[in-house]
Amino acid sequence: NAGVTQTPKFRILKIGQSMTLQCTQDMNHNYMYWYRQDPGMGLKLIYYSVGAGITDKGEVPNGYNVSRSTTEDFPLRLELAAPSQTSVYFCASSYSRGVARVTGELFFGEGSRLTVL
Amino acid sequence: AQSVAQPEDQVNVAEGNPLTVKCTYSVSGNPYLFWYVQYPNRGLQFLLKYITGDNLVKGSYGFEAEFNKSQTSFHLKKPSALVSDSALYFCAVRDSRNNFNKFYFGSGTKLNVKP
Repeated sequence: NAGVTQTPKFRILKIGQSMTLQCTQDMNHNYMYWYRQDPGMGLKLIYYSVGAGITDKGEVPNGYNVSRSTTEDFPLRLELAAPSQTSVYFCASSYSRGVARVTGELFFGEGSRLTVL
Repeated sequence: AQSVAQPEDQVNVAEGNPLTVKCTYSVSGNPYLFWYVQYPNRGLQFLLKYITGDNLVKGSYGFEAEFNKSQTSFHLKKPSALVSDSALYFCAVRDSRNNFNKFYFGSGTKLNVKP
């Protein structure tokens, strides 16, 4: 039972480079999220998705893009990396049903530590 | 607007003593409340949640939390702290009425349990 898997775990980028952080979950969760955690800080929501084909912006979406072509995968794309994007990125998923307001907890990946130099 | 406050950046407690990590929230509908723990260089792990029902919720590793609607609080507690409980703790809330799709996190409280 893998849960939420993120790759890569570590990456160093040069300013202006681009990359994709991969996230996949095997729990058939409909909701998926990307957060960033800066040193000594809490979590900030970048993007989220309530199902395949549906994405929406969070608090800090600038400089990022996402897609959700399948239930399992939710990659985060960084375009033109900047030092301000140095952070630890967490992918998370949960299961919720709006009608019954069934609300499951978030399951987190182990994080991807990104440094932009 | 939805928000979560964890008023203490750090809590220090001696091993064997009871611990409390505070959390207050603000939502427009009914709150769905969660506690998570983060160990160094790891992802967040779920501890417990309150959705409805009994105000006292029991979770993993001997932790419990009490939902207090009048005080809009959801404090995390443990009767006897262990050194291994030392970690970063996050409270989170989901609003049943607005922005239901989002989880709102507090800034985190670092728990230090000394031998």
